[in-house]
Amino acid sequence: GENVEQHPSTLSVQEGDSAVIKCTYSDSASNYFPWYKQELGKRPQLIIDIRSNVGEKKDQRIAVTLNKTAKHFSLHITETQPEDSAVYFCAAGITGNQFYFGTGTSLTVIP
Amino acid sequence: DVKVTQSSRYLVKRTGEKVFLECVQDMDHENMFWYRQDPGLGLRLIYFSYDVKMKEKGDIPEGYSVSREKKERFSLILESASTNQTSMYLCASRYTDTQYFGPGTRLTVL
Repeated sequence: GENVEQHPSTLSVQEGDSAVIKCTYSDSASNYFPWYKQELGKRPQLIIDIRSNVGEKKDQRIAVTLNKTAKHFSLHITETQPEDSAVYFCAAGITGNQFYFGTGTSLTVIP
Repeated sequence: DVKVTQSSRYLVKRTGEKVFLECVQDMDHENMFWYRQDPGLGLRLIYFSYDVKMKEKGDIPEGYSVSREKKERFSLILESASTNQTSMYLCASRYTDTQYFGPGTRLTVL
């Protein structure tokens, strides 16, 4: 099956700086790559996703890039704010099938 | 607004007990999933279901079973709970590719 690796496991940034979280995947057939945010004590929620026919997608301060050749994708958060502090999970899979999640990145934004 | 609920937020059981975790979604989604979440291990898929009466094993099905008698309800069963099943259990339902998670059940097995 698919194997998703996520780095770093923890990340601390100053408020206003950018944060980057990276994931790699192993199955070249994977065509869907979502990112979930889980605030402390809450459920994971989808924040952005990208499909294999697109190289980059942006939604306000967050963006995701995908490099299919290298089999890696990244989450970029610009102008970080304290409310961005959370655990972020990447995932990879084939549309309609099960998704495989990374191990998570705990992001702390220091005011 | 999609609503996924789980029967308990916190549960404490003894080793050997049979444990039922229930998940209900109100959006008529066909796909439902059970994950367990452990620090440093992320979200690992236990079982999933594409439709009523259907079930598929995920990555870590050992020690678990599931039941889906109605479309809106997906139950996770621990036949004989063990201490290594102490974890956070998350249910999810899926529409197209977006998964909607429940609030989670933190299960402690003593």
